[in-house]
This record gives sequence, structure tokens and C-alpha cells, in this order.
Amino acid sequence: NAGVTQTPKFQVLKTGQSMTLQCAQDMNHEYMSWYRQDPGMGLRLIHYSVGAGITDQGEVPNGYNVSRSTTEDFPLRLLSAAPSQTSVYFCASSTLPGQGAGELFFGEGSRLTVL
Amino acid sequence: AQKVTQAQTEISVVEKEDVTLDCVYETRDTTYYLFWYKQPPSGELVFLIRRNSFDEQNEISGRYSWNFQKSTSSFNFTITASQVVDSAVYFCALSEAVLGNQGGKLIFGQGTELSVKP
Repeated sequence: NAGVTQTPKFQVLKTGQSMTLQCAQDMNHEYMSWYRQDPGMGLRLIHYSVGAGITDQGEVPNGYNVSRSTTEDFPLRLLSAAPSQTSVYFCASSTLPGQGAGELFFGEGSRLTVL
Repeated sequence: AQKVTQAQTEISVVEKEDVTLDCVYETRDTTYYLFWYKQPPSGELVFLIRRNSFDEQNEISGRYSWNFQKSTSSFNFTITASQVVDSAVYFCALSEAVLGNQGGKLIFGQGTELSVKP
């Protein structure tokens, strides 16, 4: 019963480094998304995807790239990390609203620190 | 544009007190979904409830109840006889059920941190 799996759980980067946060789900969900959580800001949507080959921007997409080559995987790439990207990142998946109103299933989160 | 406001940043109560967490939302759509999620100190996000815009019936689940009022665009959450284990950050969220690729995005409020003291 894996659900949504995120790796790594913790990462420290230096400014300018690149990295990829991995996300995989085994529930055959069409919809996947990435959020970042910052104190006092709630969860803010970075990017989302409604199916393989389809991605779109959320509220705070700058500095992040995504791709969706398979239904299961939705990696989030930081091309040149900045201290402002220090945050906790959550990957989530769901069915689309027409198929069950989109209850989001979340991964356990990835804590990223950019020095 | 969608917006969710949780005006209460922090609430502190003593065990067994009742507590209500407020949630006010903005949307131009007539069809939408509202959610509550709980984030305990361990950090995971736990789904509590989903409500669609056509169902204004209040819901009760054990000590938890939800009051949905379209007239005031509110979806408030009440915990009756609070317990220390209820201590967590609670998020209200809104999803507009639009067609095409926009469907499914959840917009979250800022969260309310509830502290229940013994």
C-alpha cells in the first residue's frame, strides 16, 4: 500500500546547484501536483498535471520544471537552487474531479534547505 | 480568482473545550469542492472531508462537524470536546470543478494551528 512516495525526505543544497525531487504514485491517478509549504503561507501549488504528457503552472512555478512521461511519475526539478526555495515540498495525486471530486493523497513531504 | 481565508492563525484551548475553525472562500464558479485537511506534528497531510457546492447539509463524524453555508461562503469546522491528539495545523481548501486541464487544482488557506492543552 505505497500510495504517493516522495524521495528524498531531506536534502541540503548550495545556491546554484540543481536537483530533482522524485514522486511516484501507484493508484493510477491521472492528476498529480507539487506544493510547497512555508510558515504562514499554507500550501501553494507549484505545477500540476492532468495526465501523461500534460503539465501546467500553478501559483508559484518560477524556478521549477516538471514533466510527466508516465502516469506514475511526476518529478520536480530545481535548475538553479536559491535560498528562497528552502521549503517543505509535497507531492499529491488524485482522480480528476469528474471521477470523484479529487481528494488529494499526499506524499510524506521533502524538506529542502538551500544554503 | 479562487481564494481561501483562514483568519485564525493560532488557537489554543484546554482539553474538552469545543473549538471552531473558520474558513471563508471566494470563487466565481457554481460548481466547486471544499476540503479540510489535518497536519499533525509529524508533518503528513490527512484528508478529513470533502463537500461539493450542491450539498449544504452539515456533516458530523464523531467529534468533528462541518457547517457549510453558501450564503456566507463559509465552511467552518468544529471539534467537540477537544483532545490533546487534535493538536495540529488544519487547512481548508477549495477546488473548482472546471472542464479541461484546469480541473482538480486545490487552493489552500494559510492554515490554523490548534493547540489543545491538557
